[in-house]
Amino acid sequence: SQQGEEDPQALSIQEGENATMNCSYKTSINNLQWYRQNSGRGLVHLILIRSNEREKHSGRLRVTLDTSKKSSSLLITASRAADTASYFCATSPYSSASKIIFGSGTRLSIRP
Amino acid sequence: GAGVSQSPSNKVTEKGKDVELRCDPISGHTALYWYRQSLGQGLEFLIYFQGNSAPDKSGLPSDRFSAERTGGSVSTLTIQRTQQEDSAVYLCASSSLPGQGRFITGELFFGEGSRLTVL
Repeated sequence: SQQGEEDPQALSIQEGENATMNCSYKTSINNLQWYRQNSGRGLVHLILIRSNEREKHSGRLRVTLDTSKKSSSLLITASRAADTASYFCATSPYSSASKIIFGSGTRLSIRP
Repeated sequence: GAGVSQSPSNKVTEKGKDVELRCDPISGHTALYWYRQSLGQGLEFLIYFQGNSAPDKSGLPSDRFSAERTGGSVSTLTIQRTQQEDSAVYLCASSSLPGQGRFITGELFFGEGSRLTVL
């Protein structure tokens, strides 16, 4: 079963705009990660945020975590055509620390 | 090696045949994960290994699926008597867990996947 659910399922924006994707999960977690997948290829790690952190930045990426609402958001600022990909959140449930469960993903398209 | 290596990259088989998918993780990574991804879908957790042992096999879809890891390195995912619904991309990932005791997950490094098509 899926632990995380991303919202929206698909997002299309103009190049230069900001893209926001959300992830909701069901159980308490140790940490939450975001990954990116270009079509037909393996996933690449973007950022990890621990359960005791509320916000984290990496370049044009900003991740927030609200453990009271069991949700996270990924913001990509000043989007580029090369950001077109699918984005997944992945959670490590507190009850099973080494298990990593992925959500269903958001397909992001950047229009030039 | 430099990255996670999976083979074969593509496999076409007939319904009822057995297939073996191989994953060679990054050297020194103690944790290894298998996932399945159907077209346009998210990743379905199958199994993970800590060293040679698999603490959680709950994601394996049926008893036709099995996996092993030897020497704390290479892992093989075996699907017996394949069915058409087994068609998917099978992804392997490895991770270096930060410490002993209660395992806390870190970054996963993924291979490019093995695309399985069952006719």
